Amino acid sequence: AIRMTQSPSSLSASTGDRVTITCRASQGISTYVAWYQQKPGKAPNLLIYSASTLQSGVPSRFSGSASGTDFTLTISRLQSEDFATYYCQQYYSYPLTFGGGTKVEIK
Amino acid sequence: EVEVVESGGGLVQPGGSLRLSCATSQFTFSSHWMTWVRQAPGKGLEWVANIKYDGSEKHYVDSVQGRFIISRDDAKKSLYLQMNSLTAEDTAVYYCARGRGWSYGEVDFWGQGTLVTVSS
Repeated sequence: AIRMTQSPSSLSASTGDRVTITCRASQGISTYVAWYQQKPGKAPNLLIYSASTLQSGVPSRFSGSASGTDFTLTISRLQSEDFATYYCQQYYSYPLTFGGGTKVEIK
Repeated sequence: EVEVVESGGGLVQPGGSLRLSCATSQFTFSSHWMTWVRQAPGKGLEWVANIKYDGSEKHYVDSVQGRFIISRDDAKKSLYLQMNSLTAEDTAVYYCARGRGWSYGEVDFWGQGTLVTVSS
């Protein structure tokens, strides 16, 4: 199975900060990557697919990029509603796999 | 508004079985891949299984292969997960989710989840 190593596992930031979360795939997966946001007690919400395409209705402060086997989710200016846990997912090959998650907390 | 509602979770003894259901509405169910994702208490997301829009393909994570069966009923716009030979490691919230467009991978609408607890 393809392993998605997500880092950091947690971070503290302030509103207005630029935040970057990275996932590294254990092998080449083209751009078959999605990013999700999950708030406590809620289902995840799709943010980005195909590594860099913004899902409809998601604020433009979220963006995704890819470089080789490294994938990045960036929040340009963190808002209060962005404090949550973020997951990457690869769908290049089965079994589909998620990264371990990054918890974004208030500094 | 797209609706996805899971049901069927509960407490089951190790070795037992459980069938989860996922009722959907407000979209063309027969045009979408459907997926089950689970989350153990305090842990991350784990993809479990998916099924093609016409039911012709089914895929599973290795840990449930041979024990779980995913199925769908397009007439009822419903997705199912038959879970057999359950162990404590299967304890989790199980989410039903819709594939985005024709995609098998990313999912764009999720249910609220149903909790499965495997314990004696």
